[in-house]
Amino acid sequence: AQTVTQSQPEMSVQEAETVTLSCTYDTSESDYYLFWYKQPPSRQMILVIRQEAYKQQNATENRFSVNFQKAAKSFSLKISDSQLGDAAMYFCAYRAGGTASKLTFGTGTRLQVTL
Amino acid sequence: DVKVTQSSRYLVKRTGEKVFLECVQDMDHENMFWYRQDPGLGLRLIYFSYDVKMKEKGDIPEGYSVSREKKERFSLILESASTNQTSMYLCASSLWGPLYFGEGSWLTVV
Repeated sequence: AQTVTQSQPEMSVQEAETVTLSCTYDTSESDYYLFWYKQPPSRQMILVIRQEAYKQQNATENRFSVNFQKAAKSFSLKISDSQLGDAAMYFCAYRAGGTASKLTFGTGTRLQVTL
Repeated sequence: DVKVTQSSRYLVKRTGEKVFLECVQDMDHENMFWYRQDPGLGLRLIYFSYDVKMKEKGDIPEGYSVSREKKERFSLILESASTNQTSMYLCASSLWGPLYFGEGSWLTVV
């Protein structure tokens, strides 16, 4: 079974600084997707960034980027120029390829952004 | 934009009651999912469905059932609610790739 591990329950970053959230996963599949979701206090899950396993290039979305290390099964999220609105729970998630597959989540990292 | 709507945002039910949580999506997605979210445990999959009238058990199906009579609608049913089912319930839909989530339903069982 696939597992996703987020070893940092809480992180803190100062406004305008950079922070990296860690995620590792375990799978025997070769075709899969990885995601980072953000959950602000409103509880709405928002997709931050996605990475297809077959792509060697790391995904980037504005201030958010990932460091995808396929051999190490590591998928970290880097947030640059942190803003107060980035404060939220961040979940790493894995999905095997194919349409009828589920998303497996890590336990989340709570990010605080301080002035 | 994908819209996933959960019918009830906050519910309070009594132990033993039958509870229905409804979810509707407007993007003709094949797959729909029910997760529950608890502090320190992340999101755990209860059931998912990849087609009308099809369902698959997730990681924690005990005490729950589901219904998918129409493609756009996926219902979660608690046959006899118990206090350990007090939680946040999240519905999601997808084709492939990412899931799109509703706003969540907070259920308190007293």
